[in-house]
Amino acid sequence: ETGVTQSPTHLIKTRGQQVTLRCSSQSGHNTVSWYQQALGQGPQFIFQYYREEENGRGNFPPRFSGLQFPNYSSELNVNALELDDSALYLCASSPGDSKSIRGYTFGSGTRLTVV
Amino acid sequence: AQSVTQLGSHVSVSEGALVLLRCNYSSSVPPYLFWYVQYPNQGLQLLLKYTSAATLVKGINGFEAEFKKSETSFHLTKPSAHMSDAAEYFCAVSGDRRGGADGLTFGKGTHLIIQP
Repeated sequence: ETGVTQSPTHLIKTRGQQVTLRCSSQSGHNTVSWYQQALGQGPQFIFQYYREEENGRGNFPPRFSGLQFPNYSSELNVNALELDDSALYLCASSPGDSKSIRGYTFGSGTRLTVV
Repeated sequence: AQSVTQLGSHVSVSEGALVLLRCNYSSSVPPYLFWYVQYPNQGLQLLLKYTSAATLVKGINGFEAEFKKSETSFHLTKPSAHMSDAAEYFCAVSGDRRGGADGLTFGKGTHLIIQP
C-alpha cells in the first residue's frame, strides 16, 4: 500500500504571496490533518479534514485554509505569506472516523521558505 | 487543554547503553500517548502508542514505553542503543478519548546522539 505523499518537497516564496501544498492520503484513510513544524520545534496542529469538512483546528489564523477532495487527497493554502511561515509542513492521514486513534501516518513534508 | 514536556533537548548515550527519553504530559481527560521518530529531512514515523490497554507498550526497533498515571509520564526506553537510533524523538498526546479532531499535541523533541 502507498503511504502519504506530499508535493512539492521544497518551495521558496516571497513574503505576501500565496502558496498551495498538496497531500495524497494513504490508501483507505479518509481523515487528513496538517501540521507546521518550525525549525527545532515539535509539529503544531493546523487543522483536520474528515469527509471533505474541516472538523478541528489549532491556533492558526484564517489565512491558513484547506480542502479535502472526494478521493481524500488534501490541500493546504496559505495566503499573505509571512517570514514566520517558513517551516516544514507535514500531512498526516488516518483511517476510520474523524476520531479514530488507530494511527496517523505522516508524509515526508514540504519545506517552505519565505523570503 | 493538553501539553507535553520532554526533558532534555539533547541526550547522548554510548552504543550498547540504555536509552531513556523522558516525557511528561498534561491532559484533562484520559490521554492517548504516542512516540514518533524523525530522521533528518524526513517525516514522522510512529514508534509506539498507548491507548488505555496495557501500560507497558512495545514498539518497533526494540523501543518500549510505560504509562504511569500517577507520575503523568510516558518515558521511552531501549535496552541497548544502536548507531541507527540517532534521530529526533517526539512525544505526543491526544486528549480526546476518541482522538482526532483536536489533533496531536507534540513536545519539542529530544535529539538522541549515539556515541561509538
